[in-house]
Amino acid sequence: DVVLTQTPSTLSATIGQSVSISCRSSQSLLDSAGNTYLYWYLQRPGQSPQLLIYLVSNLGSGVPNRFSGSGSGTDFTLKISGVEAEDLGVYYCMQATHAPWTFGGGTKLELK
Amino acid sequence: QVQLEESGPGLMQPSETLSLTCTVSGFSLTSNGVGWVRQPLGKGLVWMGTIWAGGSTNYNSAVQSRLSISRDTSKSQVFLKMNSLQPEDTGTYYCARHGWEQGMDAWGQGASVTVSS
Repeated sequence: DVVLTQTPSTLSATIGQSVSISCRSSQSLLDSAGNTYLYWYLQRPGQSPQLLIYLVSNLGSGVPNRFSGSGSGTDFTLKISGVEAEDLGVYYCMQATHAPWTFGGGTKLELK
Repeated sequence: QVQLEESGPGLMQPSETLSLTCTVSGFSLTSNGVGWVRQPLGKGLVWMGTIWAGGSTNYNSAVQSRLSISRDTSKSQVFLKMNSLQPEDTGTYYCARHGWEQGMDAWGQGASVTVSS
């Protein structure tokens, strides 16, 4: 199975600070058709996960544009440009290029 | 709007079969897939399986021998059945609308399942 390694595991930030989360894959997520099935989700405390980014860099419906995704192959990044209080929670990357689909271990974003 | 709601028993005995129902609204099961994701208490997310718009299924190999996902499109319901439950199957089970490109873009609130004797 593809292993996704997220760093850091915990991230402390102040409101307004810009932060980045890394997601590294044990295999390239580029498929033979040229697609890269890499997603980002946020799970706020006590809530269900919600989609932030699909296909590496596409913003989910209703997601604020302070979120952005980038990367290719095995290295991917989620950036939050100006953290807001509602952004606190656990962030997960997920790949769907190789079955079974797998999630990273999560990055907890907390207030400093 | 798009909604998903999981339902099922909260407490199960080891070796029993778990049956969960995901009732959806705001979209059609013949145009969208539905996936199931498990989250052990305090831990991360694990994809379990998906039933696609055409009715085909994909399962996580770790649970494939015990898991079955089916649907009733007339009732807008998706079913998860997993046999031979063990305490390590304890957790919250989420269903989510699952598109091949857009990923899991809408989630239910989750159903908590405890496996204990």
